[in-house]
Formats: sequence, C-alpha cells, structure tokens
Amino acid sequence: SQTIHQWPATLVQPVGSPLSLECTVEGTSNPNLYWYRQAAGRGLQLLFYSVGIGQISSEVPQNLSASRPQDRQFILSSKKLLLSDSGFYLCAWSHGVAEQYFGPGTRLTVT
Amino acid sequence: DQQVKQNSPSLSVQEGRISILNCDYTNSMFDYFLWYKKYPAEGPTFLISISSIKDKNEDGRFTVFLNKSAKHLSLHIVPSQPGDSAVYFCAAEISGANNLFFGTGTRLTVIP
Repeated sequence: SQTIHQWPATLVQPVGSPLSLECTVEGTSNPNLYWYRQAAGRGLQLLFYSVGIGQISSEVPQNLSASRPQDRQFILSSKKLLLSDSGFYLCAWSHGVAEQYFGPGTRLTVT
Repeated sequence: DQQVKQNSPSLSVQEGRISILNCDYTNSMFDYFLWYKKYPAEGPTFLISISSIKDKNEDGRFTVFLNKSAKHLSLHIVPSQPGDSAVYFCAAEISGANNLFFGTGTRLTVIP
C-alpha cells in the first residue's frame, strides 16, 4: 500500500532563517505531488504541484520554492522565512485522479 | 478569490442525529467534488466524492448531494457519531487539471 511521509512534524524557526521540508511517497511510482499550506482559520492553499521529476508548477508567488529531485521525493524550501510563512504544511500525492492523499503535515512556527 | 466556500465555520450535532455540512462554489467549470475529513495535527483524509454527472453519492453513513444549478453540495452524516468530530473540507476540481480548490472547512462536533 502507498504511504506518504513528511518531516519534521513540527518546526520553530526564526525570521530570516532557511527552510527545508521533505516529503516522500512509498508504494507507488510517478505520482503527482503537491504542497499545500493551511494558515490559521483558512482553507488549504495549493502552493506547488509536480507531475514529474524536475517539473514544478507554482500556484502562489511567494518566497517559497519546491524541488523534485527524485520521482517520489518533494522538497519545500525557503531562503529566508517570513512571519507570514507560519502554518501547517501538507504534502499530498495522486495518480492523476481527483483523490489526493495527504501526509501527516508539518507545523511551522516562524518567530 | 475563494472559489469554494464553506460558510459555516462550525456545527454541533447530538450523537445519533444527522449532520449536514454545506459547500458552495462559484466556478461552473468544476466537475468533480470531494469531501475530506481532518483531525487536529493530521493531514486530511479523503471521505467521499461525486462527479457532476450525478446528484447523489452514498457510502455507508455518508451521502453527498450535488445541486449543479445552485452550485451547491452538501455532506450528510447519519447517524452522527462522536468519532465524526473533525474539520470537514469541501474541494472541487476541473477534471484533468492538477488543482483542487478547497473550502475553509467546517468544524463538526458530535456531542455524546
């Protein structure tokens, strides 16, 4: 069966520091991969999605970036965090059908 | 621009009664709709979906209704159980596009 992992589970970072969140999927190949953010009191906002290695589409302009160095690995990064980057970050995968399957999420607090 | 809206941030229901969660959308191009359930500090889990060619889809205690003319869908849970207490997200997409649009969620509390 397919499993999606995210780490770390929680992270506290100062403003201006870099960020790297990792997501890996097991048990499937060539998945579509997604990064979402849920800010307090708001819905899930799609940040990036990828349909293949090295292919990244950005939905929201911001100081975040994403990379897909391997088929089942998706990384969310920032060079300098802002206070507004605080939130709950979720990675998800799908196989071209509508249902997306989410990881456990990372709670990021920027102080 | 919020294309999918859940106007009720919270809902409380007595155990055994029906829970009705509502969702409205603005984009008439959406043709597939989903409901996700989310517990605190966890990722959302897929619950049930419906294609725009249907107006109802049922899975056990969960039924989703779609009213395309009103651009409205609802999730019915009957009977409601305490374990159903969670945040429920409505989502919509245009088939073939790699983008799910989510509502802001409704927190359901089922009172024992």
